[in-house]
Amino acid sequence: DGGITQSPKYLFRKEGQNVTLSCEQNLNHDAMYWYRQDPGQGLRLIYYSQIVNDFQKGDIAEGYSVSREKKESFPLTVTSAQKNPTAFYLCASSNRDYGYTFGSGTRLTVV
Amino acid sequence: DQQVKQNSPSLSVQEGRISILNCDYTNSMFDYFLWYKKYPAEGPTFLISISSIKDKNEDGRFTVFLNKSAKHLSLHIVPSQPGDSAVYFCAAIPGGATNKLIFGTGTLLAVQP
Repeated sequence: DGGITQSPKYLFRKEGQNVTLSCEQNLNHDAMYWYRQDPGQGLRLIYYSQIVNDFQKGDIAEGYSVSREKKESFPLTVTSAQKNPTAFYLCASSNRDYGYTFGSGTRLTVV
Repeated sequence: DQQVKQNSPSLSVQEGRISILNCDYTNSMFDYFLWYKKYPAEGPTFLISISSIKDKNEDGRFTVFLNKSAKHLSLHIVPSQPGDSAVYFCAAIPGGATNKLIFGTGTLLAVQP
């Protein structure tokens, strides 16, 4: 069964720590994306990658970093520079026909 | 600068009636629009889409209407069912070289039995 797997589902971070959210897809999609959801603000694009070893900043990239070393994987690191990291994070992938698939999300909480 | 706007944060409808969710956009270069349904703590699931060259697309109980001159689209759900209760996001794809989605802020639909 093809799909996107995000892990972990829940993640707690201490102030000043970096954390990495995992996103893996087996859909053979070229493009992958990271979105952040906050109450009342919809889903905002953090980073996206259209091809291996290439990625671009989205609307709210500050305090985040990504890598795309393999087609299947697009991990997101939330750094200590991100001032308000508590949110619900969604990973997605797409093909050229606008067929988007989303993961089930990771809830990050700063403690 | 919100390019895709859903001005109604919530909507309550009786079961069996029509639900109409609205979405406005500012960029006339958007060439594809999608609607997603989302439950809490889950990823969005695709509902229906429409290309900018069309003004209507229908799939079962769901119909999307596009008014390009008004930069407005709407999702009609008829008849509404309690299981339709969720947050609905409209999204647009700018076209060009990328497929990145630009989302609206969402509308919480509550269908009352």
